[in-house]
Amino acid sequence: EPEVTQTPSHQVTQMGQEVILRCVPISNHLYFYWYRQILGQKVEFLVSFYNNEISEKSEIFDDQFSVERPDGSNFTLKIRSTKLEDSAMYFCASSFTDAGAGGTEAFFGQGTRLTVV
Amino acid sequence: KNQVEQSPQSLIILEGKNCTLQCNYTVSPFSNLRWYKQDTGRGPVSLTIMTFSENTKSNGRYTATLDADTKQSSLHITASQLSDSASYICVVSAMGDYKLSFGAGTTVTVRA
Repeated sequence: EPEVTQTPSHQVTQMGQEVILRCVPISNHLYFYWYRQILGQKVEFLVSFYNNEISEKSEIFDDQFSVERPDGSNFTLKIRSTKLEDSAMYFCASSFTDAGAGGTEAFFGQGTRLTVV
Repeated sequence: KNQVEQSPQSLIILEGKNCTLQCNYTVSPFSNLRWYKQDTGRGPVSLTIMTFSENTKSNGRYTATLDADTKQSSLHITASQLSDSASYICVVSAMGDYKLSFGAGTTVTVRA
């Protein structure tokens, strides 16, 4: 069964450093997403990406964040200068159509646990 | 703003018993509602997805219902197993939205 894969599974970084979280979405999917979950809190939407551009982003997704699809398979989330409050589990997801379109499934990766120290 | 409220926050049940989880939402215009299962430290896994025209959907021992008029959904787990211990999350999206709006989840603990 196809799946969304994320690397690394756990990353520790010092405050102020840049991090890049990597994701390989399901191959025939067209919509890509990043979500995050701070420990003990609910999953929050960060950004969606379609047709090589951001289609929607949340208030959390400020200038410190960026996304890129550098080739036909990878989808990355970059945090330029990490802060302590960026510590969270970051989930990548993909779907064939957008989330608001009827009965389409959105598949999530296993997540990258980011710890900022 | 889309909001998703779930109850109870947590529950403990004995193996083999049934339980029902509740979800209330405010989304307009409504497109679909999903239930996900999330094991600790793992990504959410889809259980069911329902559009406004569907009022029940099953996936094995999981049965979800949807009342689009009252904006309520439930997830019923039948004959619970120890492996059902997880967080169950109600997720909704609006037409034209790219994002999913997550509830806080109900933590289910199944005990032998």
